[in-house]
Amino acid sequence: DAGVTQSPTHLIKTRGQQVTLRCSPKSGHDTVSWYQQALGQGPQFIFQYYEEEERQRGNFPDRFSGHQFPNYSSELNVNALLLGDSALYLCASSLPAGTGYTFGSGTRLTVV
Amino acid sequence: AQTVTQSQPEMSVQEAETVTLSCTYDTSESDYYLFWYKQPPSRQMILVIRQEAYKQQNATENRFSVNFQKAAKSFSLKISDSQLGDAAMYFCASLLGGYGGSQGNLIFGKGTKLSVKP
Repeated sequence: DAGVTQSPTHLIKTRGQQVTLRCSPKSGHDTVSWYQQALGQGPQFIFQYYEEEERQRGNFPDRFSGHQFPNYSSELNVNALLLGDSALYLCASSLPAGTGYTFGSGTRLTVV
Repeated sequence: AQTVTQSQPEMSVQEAETVTLSCTYDTSESDYYLFWYKQPPSRQMILVIRQEAYKQQNATENRFSVNFQKAAKSFSLKISDSQLGDAAMYFCASLLGGYGGSQGNLIFGKGTKLSVKP
């Protein structure tokens, strides 16, 4: 059973750079949500994609953008990286209006 | 706005004993779902148990059960016969309901780190 796959698992970037994180949803799921989890905190909602469009967005600046492809996979892009962007980025897939979220193991981003 | 509060940053339990993790939430909606997720060092969020707000009966999944007090907006998790593999971060989360399913996004608490002593 293919769960949610995220890549890469770890990443180190320099302030001011740009980064792209990738997510493949669970088979049968077509909705992808992204969360940022700072150290010692609970995950914070970034945005959700469905039918290749951003469906909802949390309280994150425009430096955070995303994309969903026809095969339902998704990318999270962060521009002009700040030290405060260092976190675990989690991807979760679901059905639209579903309550069953499947999470990936995340990408650990470190900004130096 | 929805909020979820976990007031216990860390908890410890002896193997085979019972532990209760606390969670309170706030919402003005009547249709919502509540969850407990487990996050081991592997980082993946794993669903432990789910409760629909309209159901009065408390959810149970094997050794895991909840005490859902809707009026008090309290949603605690009880782990019975604790095992070493239960050691992890536990997050309480809420999700608005609607349209026969859900709307909005998961709102998480800050988590409780559970240690299990052999």
